[in-house]
Amino acid sequence: EPEVTQTPSHQVTQMGQEVILRCVPISNHLYFYWYRQILGQKVEFLVSFYNNEISEKSEIFDDQFSVERPDGSNFTLKIRSTKLEDSAMYFCASRQDLEAFFGQGTRLTVV
Amino acid sequence: AQSVTQLGSHVSVSEGALVLLRCNYSSSVPPYLFWYVQYPNQGLQLLLKYTSAATLVKGINGFEAEFKKSETSFHLTKPSAHMSDAAEYFCAVTTNDYKLSFGAGTTVTVRA
Repeated sequence: EPEVTQTPSHQVTQMGQEVILRCVPISNHLYFYWYRQILGQKVEFLVSFYNNEISEKSEIFDDQFSVERPDGSNFTLKIRSTKLEDSAMYFCASRQDLEAFFGQGTRLTVV
Repeated sequence: AQSVTQLGSHVSVSEGALVLLRCNYSSSVPPYLFWYVQYPNQGLQLLLKYTSAATLVKGINGFEAEFKKSETSFHLTKPSAHMSDAAEYFCAVTTNDYKLSFGAGTTVTVRA
């Protein structure tokens, strides 16, 4: 069964460093998303991406964040100058129709 | 904007007992509703979805949910809990923008 894959599964980074979280969406999907879940809190929408551009972003998704689809398969989330409060589980999702398929997540720990 | 509220952050049930997880939604337009499950250290797996067809929706692992417009609810049930049902469950809503809004989650523990 096709699935969304995310790498790495866990990343530890020092405050102020840049991180890139990687996702490989399901191959025939056209819509891509990033969500995050801070420990103990609800899953929050960050950004949606379609046709090589951002279609919507939340207020969380400020200039510190960027997304890119550098080739035909990868979808990345870059966080510049990480802060302690960026520590969270980050989920990538993709969809073709109504149902969104989620990856296993990347646990980002900023120290 | 749409939102969901999950009543009860923790539910504890005995093995074999009914599982009932409550979800109420708010939406100004007809919603699409979902239940996701998250096992420890894993991602979000879709249990079932409501897409304006049948109001009683059956999902995986014996779960089902009923959409009640009059009550703005989409409660999740399973007649008989199994130890493997221990997980966190999230209700989510979306509309035409397909951006999911999640509830806070309900953690289910199953007692032997």
